[in-house]
Amino acid sequence: DAGITQSPRYKITETGRQVTLMCHQTWSHSYMFWYRQDLGHGLRLIYYSAAADITDKGEVPDGYVVSRSKTENFPLTLESATRSQTSVYFCASSPSGGAGDTQYFGPGTRLTVL
Amino acid sequence: RKEVEQDPGPFNVPEGATVAFNCTYSNSASQSFFWYRQDCRKEPKLLMSVYSSGNEDGRFTAQLNRASQYISLLIRDSKLSDSATYLCVVSSGGGSQGNLIFGKGTKLSVKP
Repeated sequence: DAGITQSPRYKITETGRQVTLMCHQTWSHSYMFWYRQDLGHGLRLIYYSAAADITDKGEVPDGYVVSRSKTENFPLTLESATRSQTSVYFCASSPSGGAGDTQYFGPGTRLTVL
Repeated sequence: RKEVEQDPGPFNVPEGATVAFNCTYSNSASQSFFWYRQDCRKEPKLLMSVYSSGNEDGRFTAQLNRASQYISLLIRDSKLSDSATYLCVVSSGGGSQGNLIFGKGTKLSVKP
């Protein structure tokens, strides 16, 4: 019962480098989400996807790119990492994305940009 | 006004105490309401959904007042294992009801 997994769990990179965070779910959920969590801000939505090849911006999309070629995978790429992108990143999924639908979170990736 | 506001906390209570958390939200179009729990350095997990009629799950009771745009969570007979951060969560409203807005959370520490 793998559920939803994220890799890597910890990552240290340098300013300007490209970084990709992976998210994989085994439930065949339609919707997937990427959040970042920072002290003083709580969880903020970066991007979400309603299905394969359908993605949309959330609250804080600048500096991030997503793709979803397969239902089970939803990678998040930082094209040119900045220090302000140091954060904990959570991936989540939900069956239908409808009101009342529970979102299930992965364990998170702690990213440090030096 | 922030979209979802919670008690600032932290709440430090003894075992067996009753503790209440409050939350207000700004978007009257929101249809779904939840409490999530987040343990230190872990992912958020659904604690319970919140319904207009109120709902109870063991020692936990959640209430919703749509007119006042107010949500509450009551924990009775606190256990050490209840120590965590509690996140008030509201659907974003409009055409993206499945998108969630998270409060910053209220930290609870239950002491022996």
